[in-house]
Amino acid sequence: NAGVTQTPKFRVLKTGQSMTLLCAQDMNHEYMYWYRQDPGMGLRLIHYSVGEGTTAKGEVPDGYNVSRLKKQNFLLGLESAAPSQTSVYFCASSYSFGSNTGELFFGEGSRLTVL
Amino acid sequence: AQSVTQLGSHVSVSEGALVLLRCNYSSSVPPYLFWYVQYPNQGLQLLLKYTSAATLVKGINGFEAEFKKSETSFHLTKPSAHMSDAAEYFCAVSEGPGAGSYQLTFGKGTKLSVIP
Repeated sequence: NAGVTQTPKFRVLKTGQSMTLLCAQDMNHEYMYWYRQDPGMGLRLIHYSVGEGTTAKGEVPDGYNVSRLKKQNFLLGLESAAPSQTSVYFCASSYSFGSNTGELFFGEGSRLTVL
Repeated sequence: AQSVTQLGSHVSVSEGALVLLRCNYSSSVPPYLFWYVQYPNQGLQLLLKYTSAATLVKGINGFEAEFKKSETSFHLTKPSAHMSDAAEYFCAVSEGPGAGSYQLTFGKGTKLSVIP
């Protein structure tokens, strides 16, 4: 049982390049989330999904897109990377609120550097 | 709207001393409250949670937190610090399903150092 798996774990991009971060969970969770973590800023929600085929914006969605084509996967895309997107990205998942209190299960993070 | 304030971005304690990490929240409805811990180069893991049951919540590794509605606080404590407690701690709040919210809002984190 792997939990939440993020790939890649490290990536260096040049300004303007595009990339996709993949998050996979094997816990049959309904909800999935992408956060970014920056020093002194805590975790800020980028986008989230409450089910297959649905996504919604979080606190800091600009410059990112997401897709949830399969229940177990949640993709985060950067179409044109900027240095301000240098960060550590965390994916998380949870059961629906109907059966749980909203506890999040986190991946180990993906460290992205944009030069 | 919900929000979390963690007082002190960095706290240092001696090994064996009391650990107290402060968290105050703002919520328009009775909240769900969480403490997460992050060890270096790892993801976050749940330490404990409050979901409107007992106000004193016990978590893993000897940590506990008390929900005080009158003070809008959810401070994290541990009677005796251990070197292995050195990590960053995040308080988080959710307004829960009653408010139709699926989101956790995190504080900015408190880095705990334990001095031998």
